[in-house]
Amino acid sequence: QLQLQESGSGLVKPSQTLSLTCAVSGGSISSAYHSWSWIRQPPGKGLEWIGYIYHNGSTYYNPSLRSRVSMSVDRSKNQFSLKLSSVTAADTAVYYCARGSYAYGLGYWGPGTLVTVSS
Amino acid sequence: QSVLTQPPSASATPGQRVTISCSGSSSNIGSNTVNWSQHLPGTAPRLLIYTNDQRPSGVPDRFSGSKSGTSASLAISGLQSEDEADYYCAAWDDSLNGWVFGGGTKLTVL
Repeated sequence: QLQLQESGSGLVKPSQTLSLTCAVSGGSISSAYHSWSWIRQPPGKGLEWIGYIYHNGSTYYNPSLRSRVSMSVDRSKNQFSLKLSSVTAADTAVYYCARGSYAYGLGYWGPGTLVTVSS
Repeated sequence: QSVLTQPPSASATPGQRVTISCSGSSSNIGSNTVNWSQHLPGTAPRLLIYTNDQRPSGVPDRFSGSKSGTSASLAISGLQSEDEADYYCAAWDDSLNGWVFGGGTKLTVL
């Protein structure tokens, strides 16, 4: 069974860079059929797709966040990562990683990790 | 403001049937398939329905999905207390070239 687990800094100061990693187990991140997404949910609000990356490193980001987002993949560790720069309180959210596919959509998610932006 | 529109809440008693709607546009639901997921606090969201009306293995047949035009719906029959959760619809959006979501529906089992 595929499992995803987010990890990273839970508290980030304003203007700094948020960094998260998603470890994938029970399956390979090198699959050509899947994309690897980051999604976030601010407290009391809806879900927002941040972007996705493929195993070969190609990426696509939500235009609303594109100037501040960077994603990378580490096939040797079977994980992928998110960096969000110049954070503000508006970036406080539960951040999820998920696997996407044409057939199943966002079929597998991690449990999410809360990131709080505060001084 | 979510791109897809869901009712914020729904409720029913055990054993009843409840339906949750999801409304979108031609760039998302109108031209792509819809997924539904169940979200419980502290746990990984669970895929309930993919490709409008397909259930992954392990999902009870009490859960069913449908789509018509730019709208979709999730139906849960024989409601159980364990079904109390938040439910989200999602679809690929051709304008965004990414995923869009509903605002979520909080289901209460009375």
